[in-house]
Amino acid sequence: QSALTQPPSASGSPGQSVTISCTGTRSDVGGYNYVSWYQQHPGRAPKFMIYEVSKRPSGVPDRFSGSKSGNTASLTVSGLQAEDEATYYCSSYAGSNNLVFGGGTKLTVL
Amino acid sequence: QVQLVQSGAEVEKPGASVKVSCMASGYTFTSYNLHWVRQAPGQRLEWMAWINTGNGFTKYSQNFQGRVTITRDTSARAAYMELSSLTSEDTAVYYCARLYYDTSGYPLWGMDVWGQGTTVTVSS
Repeated sequence: QSALTQPPSASGSPGQSVTISCTGTRSDVGGYNYVSWYQQHPGRAPKFMIYEVSKRPSGVPDRFSGSKSGNTASLTVSGLQAEDEATYYCSSYAGSNNLVFGGGTKLTVL
Repeated sequence: QVQLVQSGAEVEKPGASVKVSCMASGYTFTSYNLHWVRQAPGQRLEWMAWINTGNGFTKYSQNFQGRVTITRDTSARAAYMELSSLTSEDTAVYYCARLYYDTSGYPLWGMDVWGQGTTVTVSS
């Protein structure tokens, strides 16, 4: 499967909001509501941030929100904080028990 | 607490095989499928495979079909990922991760607990 498409970079100032997109096809993002988002700091394992497009696991701040329209999912980080600077990956169920990740977006807090 | 602990770093020669272990603790091992994901240096996450830790069913990404084998040992509460015919392009950090479920036990296709990662270096 082809990787989901994410912009390589995004940025925002502290307190601002930033939205990261994740574009797939009808066979993955558009076909299922099983989009997840992960935050990864350098040298660390990914952290589970969003599941089922827009739901937050326990402990994830409500500054992080997710949505989907058609074949594109989005992650919005509101009230940017310095510790939000990381690389964010989306993933989607792709049918037939397969999973696919996005290319990752490096978020810089200016 | 719930955690996945992986085996240590490996250095292998091209053409060899490597086997990475992932030991689970803090939850019922056979109730959660385990996935394997790798990340080459500076690159994206890449899904490889998953195993049903209860019945041993496996599913492999087309990108690794024929080269990767996932097994589990329920008595040891461990899963294993073996990758064969290694090339320099297999140099990466390999992660195991637990699949997330809803309260009814339905898989939600996200991964809530990750191992610390195992660095595999392929070099002659």
